[in-house]
Amino acid sequence: RKEVEQDPGPFNVPEGATVAFNCTYSNSASQSFFWYRQDCRKEPKLLMSVYSSGNEDGRFTAQLNRASQYISLLIRDSKLSDSATYLCVVKYFSGGYNKLIFGAGTRLAVHP
Amino acid sequence: DTAVSQTPKYLVTQMGNDKSIKCEQNLGHDTMYWYKQDSKKFLKIMFSYNNKELIINETVPNRFSPKSPDKAHLNLHINSLELGDSAVYFCASSQDRGPGGQETQYFGPGTRLLVL
Repeated sequence: RKEVEQDPGPFNVPEGATVAFNCTYSNSASQSFFWYRQDCRKEPKLLMSVYSSGNEDGRFTAQLNRASQYISLLIRDSKLSDSATYLCVVKYFSGGYNKLIFGAGTRLAVHP
Repeated sequence: DTAVSQTPKYLVTQMGNDKSIKCEQNLGHDTMYWYKQDSKKFLKIMFSYNNKELIINETVPNRFSPKSPDKAHLNLHINSLELGDSAVYFCASSQDRGPGGQETQYFGPGTRLLVL
């Protein structure tokens, strides 16, 4: 089983749609959670951290369910510019250092 | 100013050659990383250095050797290149905030390596 699993997609949605991505992780000792965004042929960039109580940043809402080891990202009012791959990232502390594990990503394509 | 830079951006070479990729960060971070992203887009950690000390060394062939001359630089040398080494290699840096910290990793633009 992969440490971080995501539906690879692609999710094809029209502009203005609401879309949700899910992610599960296997290491119950995971301590921090993030969503990164990666555009085609570009480097990953932090979209948002995910906090236990859930958090929102504009049109983006992230949720964490530690009991189910599940993270979600909701995008409202999708824009063409949201088209990208969204990477679920989990951090845990082991052997004296932090380690980030990246999911393989979920592709989103927003069309007019 | 570019926060994390890598050179070269593209590298096309023959099997069996030795090549190096350089990485520099001007963010004052104490931790740097090398990741490999293969054709399936899976981003996997290879190495991590904290204050010039190797702290993560994943299961990577010993043909790959990182070197950190100082906190701002982390280079990757690859010996006897193989076809399977073709991938995009990303350098990244962060300021370690300990367990539970919410530090951001900043990635370089990537080096696209093609081994023929």
